[in-house]
Amino acid sequence: ELKVEQNPLFLSMQEGKNYTIYCNYSTTSDRLYWYRQDPGKSLESLFVLLSNGAVKQEGRLMASLDTKARLSTLHITAAVHDLSATYFCAVDSGNQFYFGTGTSLTVIP
Amino acid sequence: EAEVAQSPRYKITEKSQAVAFWCDPISGHATLYWYRQILGQGPELLVQFQDESVVDDSQLPKDRFSAERLKGVDSTLKIQPAELGDSAMYLCASCRAWDTEAFFGQGTRLTVV
Repeated sequence: ELKVEQNPLFLSMQEGKNYTIYCNYSTTSDRLYWYRQDPGKSLESLFVLLSNGAVKQEGRLMASLDTKARLSTLHITAAVHDLSATYFCAVDSGNQFYFGTGTSLTVIP
Repeated sequence: EAEVAQSPRYKITEKSQAVAFWCDPISGHATLYWYRQILGQGPELLVQFQDESVVDDSQLPKDRFSAERLKGVDSTLKIQPAELGDSAMYLCASCRAWDTEAFFGQGTRLTVV
């Protein structure tokens, strides 16, 4: 069974700072997705990474994929309070998604 | 913008009662997923449909859970009888094909008392 691990599980950071969330997975996959979830809400798609070396950026968030290392990163630049949420990576293996454990991000003013 | 529709948004039910959730995927999306998300954890797949056929239900507790997608469009997930441990968010997602991005509905928050 494919395992997807995220770290850190909890992240508290000050506004204006930079940080990176890591997503490691245990088997070969060329497709990885990042989702955001606000408390009590559903999952919102952030990024779709479909090949080795893929890099996507949207605002203060940038995601990358290294399929050889089985690693994806979500980099936060100059964090703002609105980014506070839980972030999940999901790996596409065969015909289903496996979700990571999630990273709960709190941005402190 | 097309969305995955789920109902109800919230459901409170007593232990041992039956409960059902409904999902209408984005039009044209052949693949439909039901996930369960316990508070503080990531979503776990319960069942995956490709059109009207079940592709994977290995994690579905079949003694009490059932799912159907009779015409390959909307889907129903049923729990009978509900147990306290079933309290969770039930999320439906759909995608055009198994290797494309999945879009999630707003979810049904189930509380079993």
